[in-house]
Amino acid sequence: QVQLVQSGAEVKTPGASVKVSCRASGDTFTSYGISWVRQAPGQGLEWMGWISAFSGDINLAQKFQDRVTLITDTSTTTAYMEMRSLKSGDTAVYYCARDGPRFQDGPITGFDSWGQGTLVTVSS
Amino acid sequence: SYEMTQTPSVSVSPGQTATITCSADKLGDKYVAWYQQRPGQSPVLVIYQDTKRPPEIPERFSGSNSGNTATLTISGTQSLDEGDYYCQAWDTTTVVFGGGTKLTVL
Repeated sequence: QVQLVQSGAEVKTPGASVKVSCRASGDTFTSYGISWVRQAPGQGLEWMGWISAFSGDINLAQKFQDRVTLITDTSTTTAYMEMRSLKSGDTAVYYCARDGPRFQDGPITGFDSWGQGTLVTVSS
Repeated sequence: SYEMTQTPSVSVSPGQTATITCSADKLGDKYVAWYQQRPGQSPVLVIYQDTKRPPEIPERFSGSNSGNTATLTISGTQSLDEGDYYCQAWDTTTVVFGGGTKLTVL
């Protein structure tokens, strides 16, 4: 079973950037991908994007394409999600989750491991 | 964009069967996964590929998907099954979640 450990809570002012990390252990990092999902307070789950640790391929939800960068560091088995130009509406818990190595593999496995979540608060 | 609709809340008595549905256009043509999320915790995968259960998930959880509706069924519901349940599907290059259903075990 894969374990995903995320970085700690962040407090940011509007317009700033945030970078959340997700360190993986327990399986070969390059055999899967990582999806990022966020959850605003009291709201549902919102998929943000996927990156393959195998190929580096990326799919981002359209609403995040101009503000979010996804990267992986295979040397440290860590995935990162960076969001720029933060707004109060970006206040949420951000999760990483294990996904397939190719985007089309996702439906086959689902997201079978999740990080503990990182609370990002955007407030002036 | 592809949208999936879930009933906001479902209530069931302990020991009874809980049925949670997810509706979307031609949903039966896609694979659906289901997640349980207890308050303050990360989501947990309970069903994938419409009907499959991860090994750690109890047999009382089952799934189906046909036409425009996917269904998560919890037989012999227990108080520890309380929480929010989300359906998930993949549409071309995006992943979509339903709005979630809050399951209350009275």
